[in-house]
Amino acid sequence: KQEVTQIPAALSVPEGENLVLNCSFTDSAIYNLQWFRQDPGKGLTSLLLIQSSQREQTSGRLNASLDKSSGRSTLYIAASQPGDSATYLCAVRPKGSARQLTFGSGTQLTVLP
Amino acid sequence: GAVVSQHPSRVICKSGTSVKIECRSLDFQATTMFWYRQFPKQSLMLMATSNEGSKATYEQGVEKDKFLINHASLTLSTLTVTSAHPEDSSFYICSASGNRGNSGNTIYFGEGSWLTVV
Repeated sequence: KQEVTQIPAALSVPEGENLVLNCSFTDSAIYNLQWFRQDPGKGLTSLLLIQSSQREQTSGRLNASLDKSSGRSTLYIAASQPGDSATYLCAVRPKGSARQLTFGSGTQLTVLP
Repeated sequence: GAVVSQHPSRVICKSGTSVKIECRSLDFQATTMFWYRQFPKQSLMLMATSNEGSKATYEQGVEKDKFLINHASLTLSTLTVTSAHPEDSSFYICSASGNRGNSGNTIYFGEGSWLTVV
């Protein structure tokens, strides 16, 4: 059974810092991996989706990498801003016809002004 | 704009009553919808997979008689929490899968529904 782990569970950084969030998964037979942002009391906002054949995806100040063989992904946030404060979730979709996602427990990020 | 709409976004109900949450795909046919549950400060856990025109598949530990799922059309799935208790208070979120334009078989999430049982 796929298990997804995110480290750290919480992170607090001063504004302007670059930071890395980590995600690991136990079963490398994935279709894709996705990073989401969740603000308190809100739903999910998809940030980046990496297909299993890709190594990384970039969007603005965000860069996500995927190393399928080692079961790891990182989300790099450059020049963090207070508006980046949220919980970041990674989720993997299995290979094959199944389309349900397995989520990590999330990293709660606080960017201090 | 939203691709998957979930309603209501917040609901408060009395213990012992039932509450229905709707999940609609707005501009595509969702052959499969998924229902997740999130307890405070925890991640999303899959509750059940809903396929149009057939019975839902429930994850282990999820009571099918308590969490009734109906996927009667290709654009609507409903989750009914029956005889709700305070421990059912949680954030419920759906996702829908289907072909939408050139996006292929992408998964789209609703905005989620906060249920509080008092």
